[in-house]
Amino acid sequence: DIQMTQSPSSLSASVGDRVTITCRASQGISNYLAWFQQKPGKAPKSLIYAASSLQSGVPSKFSGSGSGTDFTLTISSLQPEDFATYYCQQYNTYPLTFGGGTKVEIK
Amino acid sequence: QVQLVESGGGVVQPGRSLRLSCAASGFTFSSYGMHWVRQAPGKGLEWVAVIWYDGSNKYYSDSVKGRFTISRDNSKNTLYLQVNSLRAEDTAVYYCARDSVSYCSSPSCYKPPRYWGQGTLVTVSS
Repeated sequence: DIQMTQSPSSLSASVGDRVTITCRASQGISNYLAWFQQKPGKAPKSLIYAASSLQSGVPSKFSGSGSGTDFTLTISSLQPEDFATYYCQQYNTYPLTFGGGTKVEIK
Repeated sequence: QVQLVESGGGVVQPGRSLRLSCAASGFTFSSYGMHWVRQAPGKGLEWVAVIWYDGSNKYYSDSVKGRFTISRDNSKNTLYLQVNSLRAEDTAVYYCARDSVSYCSSPSCYKPPRYWGQGTLVTVSS
């Protein structure tokens, strides 16, 4: 199985900050990488697919990059509604696998 | 509008079984692959299983393979997850989710699910 490793596991940031989260795959997955946002008690929300393509309706402050084994999610200017937990997921190979998550908290 | 409503969760003793259901509406159910994803209390997301739009292929996580069975009834617009030989570590909220692209069966056309249910809680405890 492909292991997905996210870092950091948590971070504290202020409104307006630029935030970057990284995700590393244990083997190459091309660009078959998705990012999800989850708020407490809610189902996940899909943000990005194919490593860098925004899902419909997702604001452009979210961006993704990477290919192969190393990927990043960037939030250009953190807003109060962005405080949440973020997960990467590879869909190159079954079983699909998620990273462990990155909790973005208010500083 | 697209709706996914899970049911069937509850408190169950270790070793017992449950059948979870996900009732779908607002779209052509038979056109989309469907997933189960779970989340243990205070933990991260874990992908559990997928079934293709026509039921022709099913895939599972290693942690549930051989114990869980995903199925669908396209005539009833319903997805199922039969969970057997339950363990304490299966305690989680179980979500169903719909593929974003119809008739997709490869990574090149895949987009991650945009539509999710509200989840059903399974608690395995004696």
